[in-house]
Amino acid sequence: DAGVTQSPTHLIKTRGQQVTLRCSPKSGHDTVSWYQQALGQGPQFIFQYYEEEERQRGNFPDRFSGHQFPNYSSELNVNALLLGDSALYLCASSLWETVAFFGQGTRLTVV
Amino acid sequence: QQQVKQSPQSLIVQKGGISIINCAYENTAFDYFPWYQQFPGKGPALLIAIRPDVSEKKEGRFTISFNKSAKQFSLHIMDSQPGDSATYFCAASISGNQFYFGTGTSLTVIP
Repeated sequence: DAGVTQSPTHLIKTRGQQVTLRCSPKSGHDTVSWYQQALGQGPQFIFQYYEEEERQRGNFPDRFSGHQFPNYSSELNVNALLLGDSALYLCASSLWETVAFFGQGTRLTVV
Repeated sequence: QQQVKQSPQSLIVQKGGISIINCAYENTAFDYFPWYQQFPGKGPALLIAIRPDVSEKKEGRFTISFNKSAKQFSLHIMDSQPGDSATYFCAASISGNQFYFGTGTSLTVIP
């Protein structure tokens, strides 16, 4: 049983560009959350998707948007990239109120 | 405002010793308290979790102690091993939704 898978593993983008990160949840899980983890910090909640709708959102600007597909997979989009967006982006999946499992993350570097 | 405060920031323990990491929270609505272990370049992996209706939970060498009145919880790693060297994060959530993470503790176990 595959766990949470994220792609790509590493990404380098130029300031001002747009990026899309992808996540496939653990089998049987219907809820996907995205987190941003800056170097040396704990993960910060970006938003959560359930039934293809954004259910909760953290304190992130509108440049961060997402989508959940009927098969529960999800995308995180970031527009107008800033140097400060460089971080490890983590996807976590869960099944309503059960344990959240994290993927390996996508390391985004903005230059 | 940091919803979950974690200490110490770093910890060095001799092999076979006990590692203790502490966390405190303010929001009494939190009802799920997991601990995650993270190795460099990897996503956080769930170690052990507790709900506020119990004061202690033990899984192998890992124990969570929970003090509801003090709004504190801690992770104890017994018989610490070099392989336990990693960053540990406490977290809290309401009904498994948005997770609020601590700032992390870098544990080094010396052989």
